[in-house]
Amino acid sequence: SAVISQKPSRDICQRGTSLTIQCQVDSQVTMMFWYRQQPGQSLTLIATANQGSEATYESGFVIDKFPISRPNLTFSTLTVSNMSPEDSSIYLCSVGYTEAFFGQGTRLTVV
Amino acid sequence: GQQLNQSPQSMFIQEGEDVSMNCTSSSIFNTWLWYKQDPGEGPVLLIALYKAGELTSNGRLTAQFGITRKDSFLNISASIPSDVGIYFCAGQLWSNFGNEKLTFGTGTRLTIIP
Repeated sequence: SAVISQKPSRDICQRGTSLTIQCQVDSQVTMMFWYRQQPGQSLTLIATANQGSEATYESGFVIDKFPISRPNLTFSTLTVSNMSPEDSSIYLCSVGYTEAFFGQGTRLTVV
Repeated sequence: GQQLNQSPQSMFIQEGEDVSMNCTSSSIFNTWLWYKQDPGEGPVLLIALYKAGELTSNGRLTAQFGITRKDSFLNISASIPSDVGIYFCAGQLWSNFGNEKLTFGTGTRLTIIP
């Protein structure tokens, strides 16, 4: 298992601004994953973050909108850029390719 | 892309009742997983299934990997208040290039009526 801490746990942001979400894992992991969960919806994978290389984005998600950093094997950040109300969601980081462990999520509201 | 449909979407039951929910896919998976999400938290893994036909239990929870590899079900026996939450199934396909991403189902919201 892994313990994953996300910051912030929630935020209310103005449209047009950016928010960076941090994810810290208590052990070294090769891959970290970022998900979006829109209100009342399921989880959708945004991107996979590998240490030392560019993140791999899923269809419908682009680096300019969701830049990701992965400076070491225990940490990653996801930035939600130029936010609009449609970006209001829960953003989750996880580790584990099959039996995934999730952080508690960041609940983002864009006004 | 692959879609996982869960049913029912929501359930309202009384404490002590048994619960059954299922997940169906338009295509096959090699792995099925069941997660539970409490309000304000990330999903937590309940059960992982790796073999078609496999039946696995975790306390009061029992899950099965369908023979066709296109479905899975989760049963909860003698429900208690802490069972309240949203249950997600997830499927994963293995390929020659490595395991594919997890695909999550639409979720089943379980509510216990006092």
